[in-house]
Amino acid sequence: DTGVSQNPRHKITKRGQNVTFRCDPISEHNRLYWYRQTLGQGPEFLTYFQNEAQLEKSRLLSDRFSAERPKGSFSTLEIQRTEQGDSAMYLCASSLAETGTGLNIQYFGAGTRLSVL
Amino acid sequence: QKEVEQNSGPLSVPEGAIASLNCTYSDRGSQSFFWYRQYSGKSPELIMFIYSNGDKEDGRFTAQLNKASQYVSLLIRDSQPSDSATYLCAVSGGYGQNFVFGPGTRLSVLP
Repeated sequence: DTGVSQNPRHKITKRGQNVTFRCDPISEHNRLYWYRQTLGQGPEFLTYFQNEAQLEKSRLLSDRFSAERPKGSFSTLEIQRTEQGDSAMYLCASSLAETGTGLNIQYFGAGTRLSVL
Repeated sequence: QKEVEQNSGPLSVPEGAIASLNCTYSDRGSQSFFWYRQYSGKSPELIMFIYSNGDKEDGRFTAQLNKASQYVSLLIRDSQPSDSATYLCAVSGGYGQNFVFGPGTRLSVLP
C-alpha cells in the first residue's frame, strides 16, 4: 500500500463548471477526511466519513459541495457551479481511529490543486 | 469557534541550531496534538503527536505539551537546511473529532 491517493493532481476549470475529485485512502483505514487549503493557510476541515457514513460537515461548506463514500472505500468530492473562490488545494486524509486510546492519526494524500478561471 | 494560533514566521535559524516552534489553542477540551511538516507544494507529513503533558522526544524532534497553558511546542535540534518547510500544528478534541489546524510557521534553516 502506497498511502493515500488523490486524482487528479491538478484541475483547471472555467467558472460555473462542475468538478469531481477522487480519494483512495489507505486500505485498512475506516476514516476519511476532506480539507481545503489556500496559500499561506493551514488545511481547513470540510467533511469526514467513518466507513460509508458522513458524520460531520463544516458549517462553512457551501451546498455546492458534496462528498460521498459509497462503499466505505474511496471517496469523491464534487463542487458544482465552481467559483473563483473555490481555487485551492483539496486534501484528503485517512485514519484508523483507535477506540481504546482515541488516538486518530491522519495521513494525507498529495492533494488536488483546483484552479477556477 | 475552536482556534489554533501559530506565528507565521518566517523563522530563520542557522544550520546546527535549535529551532523552536510554538502553538496555542483555544479549546480546553482538546486532547491530541500533532505536528506536521509541509514542503512547498506538497501535502502535510506527520512528524510527531503528543497527548500527555510533558515532553516527547523522537530523534532530533521534541514535542512539549502544557495543557494548563494551552500551549504545545516543537523543538528541532541540530537544524538542517532540509528542515526548511512550513510546520503545521493540529489539535483534535478527541475520538472521532476532526483536526483544527493552525496557519503554520515557515522555518528557514540557513546553511
